[in-house]
Amino acid sequence: EPEVTQTPSHQVTQMGQEVILRCVPISNHLYFYWYRQILGQKVEFLVSFYNNEISEKSEIFDDQFSVERPDGSNFTLKIRSTKLEDSAMYFCASTPRTGFTHTQYFGPGTRLTVL
Amino acid sequence: DQQVKQNSPSLSVQEGRISILNCDYTNSMFDYFLWYKKYPAEGPTFLISISSIKDKNEDGRFTVFLNKSAKHLSLHIVPSQPGDSAVYFCAARANTGNQFYFGTGTSLTVIP
Repeated sequence: EPEVTQTPSHQVTQMGQEVILRCVPISNHLYFYWYRQILGQKVEFLVSFYNNEISEKSEIFDDQFSVERPDGSNFTLKIRSTKLEDSAMYFCASTPRTGFTHTQYFGPGTRLTVL
Repeated sequence: DQQVKQNSPSLSVQEGRISILNCDYTNSMFDYFLWYKKYPAEGPTFLISISSIKDKNEDGRFTVFLNKSAKHLSLHIVPSQPGDSAVYFCAARANTGNQFYFGTGTSLTVIP
């Protein structure tokens, strides 16, 4: 069964450094998303991406964040200058081209630790 | 600003009994509601959904009920099995866009 994959599974970085989190959505999916979950808190929407551009973003998704679909298969989240409070699990998700576009399929997540 | 709330952080149920997980929401613009299940070290997995035009949707052991007037939905699992032990997230989508709002989750433990 096709699945969303994410790399790396765990990323440790120093405060102020740039990180790129990578996702490979399911191949025929239409919309792509990034979410984060700070330990013990709810899953929070960051951004949605459709037709090679951002379709929605939350107030969390400020200028230090950017997303890109560089090659038609990968979907990346870049954090330019990481802060301690960026430490969280980051989940990528995608929705199908047909059928239930409201149903999101999640990847296993990348745990980001900012020191 | 918590638009989707799950007020019970945890729930324990005996195997074979019914598990009832609850969720409340505040935004009347939500048009679709979903339940996700999450195991440790994995991403959330879609379980079941319901459109705002319905009040019940059933899939095997899982049934979701929606009470629009009370802005409340619930997930019933019957019979509960030990493999159902996981964190369950309620989520909702507003009809104004494609953003999903999640609750904080309820950790379900099914005791053999």
